[in-house]
Amino acid sequence: EAGVTQFPSHSVIEKGQTVTLRCDPISGHDNLYWYRRVMGKEIKFLLHFVKESKQDESGMPNNRFLAERTGGTYSTLKVQPAELEDSGVYFCASSQDEVAGYTFGSGTRLTVV
Amino acid sequence: SQKIEQNSEALNIQEGKTATLTCNYTNYSPAYLQWYRQDPGRGPVFLLLIRENEKEKRKERLKVTFDTTLKQSLFHITASQPADSATYLCAIYNQGGKLIFGQGTELSVKP
Repeated sequence: EAGVTQFPSHSVIEKGQTVTLRCDPISGHDNLYWYRRVMGKEIKFLLHFVKESKQDESGMPNNRFLAERTGGTYSTLKVQPAELEDSGVYFCASSQDEVAGYTFGSGTRLTVV
Repeated sequence: SQKIEQNSEALNIQEGKTATLTCNYTNYSPAYLQWYRQDPGRGPVFLLLIRENEKEKRKERLKVTFDTTLKQSLFHITASQPADSATYLCAIYNQGGKLIFGQGTELSVKP
């Protein structure tokens, strides 16, 4: 089966610009998660979708971040306007149920300059 | 405060030996715990899951233990190989429904 796909793999943008990250989960996986790793820190939870609904968005840093999941399929994470501290690697993961192991994508490395 | 702690220093071992990685947690009551492997430039890859009522789980050369009294999980790789070199992440599934990750331990297996 195809894995979790994320794109772009890298993005370099200027402070104040907008960036949209995309994640295509494994087909049939209702659960979709966004995580972020900033330099030197652990991977941190951002939010969790079950199908198209946001189950938990307690990890979203602030209202500059907006996540959507269209029709319960792919998801986008938009950062607008980007700040320097948003730099890091953004991972998407999906799972069949909450107890199962997650399948992660390779991540999007975001650099805000 | 809530914490997940893994050996912060890299672990260097000789090929063929057993690698043991530690995950300690504080102020969590995990329903289960997972271990992942991460290679540079890649996302984490799921290895094993162990539930709070299980003491030990095995998969090929991997073994995980879970002691809810000590609040600790140990991850063992027996007969280690250079291909096992990677960062290993412990993740706790806490009440509330999300995985919380430790910082990871880098393992290097020398031939």
